[in-house]
Amino acid sequence: EVQAVQSGAEVKKPGESLKISCEGSGYSFSTNWIAWVRRMPGKGLEWVGTIYPSDSDTRYSPSFQGRVTISADKSINTAYLQWSSLKVSDTAMYYCMRHFNYGSGGHFDYWGQGTPVTVSS
Amino acid sequence: QSVLTQPPSVSAAPGQKVTISCSGSSSNVGADFVSWYQQLPGAAPKLLIYENNKRPSGIPDRFSGSKSGTSATLGITGLQPGDEADYFCGTWDRSLGVVFGGGTKLTVL
Repeated sequence: EVQAVQSGAEVKKPGESLKISCEGSGYSFSTNWIAWVRRMPGKGLEWVGTIYPSDSDTRYSPSFQGRVTISADKSINTAYLQWSSLKVSDTAMYYCMRHFNYGSGGHFDYWGQGTPVTVSS
Repeated sequence: QSVLTQPPSVSAAPGQKVTISCSGSSSNVGADFVSWYQQLPGAAPKLLIYENNKRPSGIPDRFSGSKSGTSATLGITGLQPGDEADYFCGTWDRSLGVVFGGGTKLTVL
């Protein structure tokens, strides 16, 4: 069974750093693109970025470039999304998923359960 | 402001049919496949339709997708209370990468 299992809820203060994780199983993790998507309260879905764990080739949405870092450790089938200095506006639910066929013609087929991130002073 | 445009809400009675539109441009919907996602309350989104009109295994044929030019449509027939959810369209944009619609809240009356 293909699964993406994410780390648990986080509550942080502005300016703090954070790294959340996503472990894939049931498929060849290193040779499949893994993406992150954000959903802010009351808003729609936003693509954050996508990584290819085999060589760590990473692509970011222009809206998130420079604001977050996506990484992966293929030895433990895990992808990460991290912030060096959180803002209140980073409060959202973050989902990871397999990004089938990155680029033209792709879609997100196996989603994690989501990691809620709350940033508040 | 989302790149793709969806109606904020639609509603219909149980057993009826509803359609949800997704409008884009020649840089995204007009140039690539569209996928649709269903997000039930309190749950993660789920892939409903990919490559305009294909259903993943386990998705009932009550759900259908189509595309014409720069617009795509999700159709749901035989509405059930369990279909109440937010629905999102997504596609690839030549400049922006993956883009989504703002989402449509379906209410089954």
